[in-house]
Amino acid sequence: NAGVTQTPKFRVLKTGQSMTLLCAQDMNHEYMYWYRQDPGMGLRLIHYSVGEGTTAKGEVPDGYNVSRLKKQNFLLGLESAAPSQTSVYFCASIPGDVGGAEQFFGPGTRLTVL
Amino acid sequence: GQNIDQPTEMTATEGAIVQINCTYQTSGFNGLFWYQQHAGEAPTFLSYNVLDGLEEKGRFSSFLSRSKGYSYLLLKELQMKDSASYLCAVMDSNYQLIWGAGTKLIIKP
Repeated sequence: NAGVTQTPKFRVLKTGQSMTLLCAQDMNHEYMYWYRQDPGMGLRLIHYSVGEGTTAKGEVPDGYNVSRLKKQNFLLGLESAAPSQTSVYFCASIPGDVGGAEQFFGPGTRLTVL
Repeated sequence: GQNIDQPTEMTATEGAIVQINCTYQTSGFNGLFWYQQHAGEAPTFLSYNVLDGLEEKGRFSSFLSRSKGYSYLLLKELQMKDSASYLCAVMDSNYQLIWGAGTKLIIKP
């Protein structure tokens, strides 16, 4: 049981480049989340999904797109990277019953945009 | 707006007890979570409170007062490995987690 995995672990981009971050979970969880974490700030929700084929915007969705074509995978895309998107990105998942459910986190992706 | 407040940094001595406070104002309430995060790592779950009172789990306890919008995490018999950031998060009426900025706990020998 790998839990939640993220690919890649590190990435350096130039302004304007695009990339996709992959999150995969093998726990058959319904809900999946993408957060970013910046120094001195809490985790901020970018987008989330409550099931295969569904996505919704979180607190800071601008500049990002997501897709959940398969239940186990949640992709985060940056179409045209900006220095303000330099951050650590965490993916998380929980089972379908939301109340009190512990969020399981991936190890994070450290992204630098030059 | 929604807001979670917790101290930025605290220092304590190995073997002692420390209390980390969290106050919140959110749109609805479906529970409060505490997570531990070591530097460079992902957050890991510590506790969940949805009813008023104290939840004890080994050396860690978490307290909730919904009427006061207040929680604390109590760490006993502090060990050096407890040096980490402690994150308070509240699940709002939309079942989304609203996160505090975290409290960095420094343990001194």
